Amino acid sequence: AQKITQTQPGMFVQEKEAVTLDCTYDTSDQSYGLFWYKQPSSGEMIFLIYQGSYDEQNATEGRYSLNFQKARKSANLVISASQLGDSAMYFCAMSLPSGGYNKLIFGAGTRLAVHP
Amino acid sequence: NAGVTQTPKFRVLKTGQSMTLLCAQDMNHEYMYWYRQDPGMGLRLIHYSVGEGTTAKGEVPDGYNVSRLKKQNFLLGLESAAPSQTSVYFCASSYRNDELYQPQHFGDGTRLSIL
Repeated sequence: AQKITQTQPGMFVQEKEAVTLDCTYDTSDQSYGLFWYKQPSSGEMIFLIYQGSYDEQNATEGRYSLNFQKARKSANLVISASQLGDSAMYFCAMSLPSGGYNKLIFGAGTRLAVHP
Repeated sequence: NAGVTQTPKFRVLKTGQSMTLLCAQDMNHEYMYWYRQDPGMGLRLIHYSVGEGTTAKGEVPDGYNVSRLKKQNFLLGLESAAPSQTSVYFCASSYRNDELYQPQHFGDGTRLSIL
C-alpha cells in the first residue's frame, strides 16, 4: 500500500525552540520524493522542502530540515527556532510514478501551535 | 506574482445546482491538478491534466468534470451538486512531472458548501 502516516494530530512548541513533526511512508517503489507543505489558517498550501529517495544528505531550507531515515521509512520535518508565524497545519506528501505522471499522496496533517 | 489563482474563493450551492470552478496559472506550467480537502484528511486528487486539451481521472473523480482548453486554465465542473461534495477545493500546477522533485504550486483554495 502507498501511504503517508502522520501520527501527531496536534503539537505545540514554545517560541524559539525546535520541534519535530513525524512522517512515515509506505511504498515498495525504489524511486520516490518526499515533500512537506505548510497550510496557515488563511488556507493556502506552501511548499517547504523536498527530499529524493536517492539523496544521501538530508535536505535543508533555512530553518527547515528534513530528517530522512530510509531504512525506517521516515521523513520527519524539523523546524528550528520556532516563530509565532510557524503556527499552521503541516502536511507530509510522497511523490510516486503513476502511469505517465508523478502522483502526490498526502498525509492527514499535523497542526502546530507555537506559544510565546 | 500571481502564481495560481482560484475563482471563486467561497460559494454556497443548493443540491442539484451546477457550477464551475476556475483555476488560472501564470507560470507556464504544463501540469495542472484539482484536489479536494476534507476534515481530518489530506488532499485527494480529483482530476489532472498533463497539457492543453488533455485530462485524466485521479483518485476521486466521480461527480466532477474538467476541461483544459487553454494551457493556463483548468476548469472543474459540478454538474449536479451533492452535499457530499462540500469541501475545500485546491488547484495546483507544476512543470513537467517527469521528475519526482517537481513541487506542485497551490492556489488559495475554494470553500464550497452544498446545502
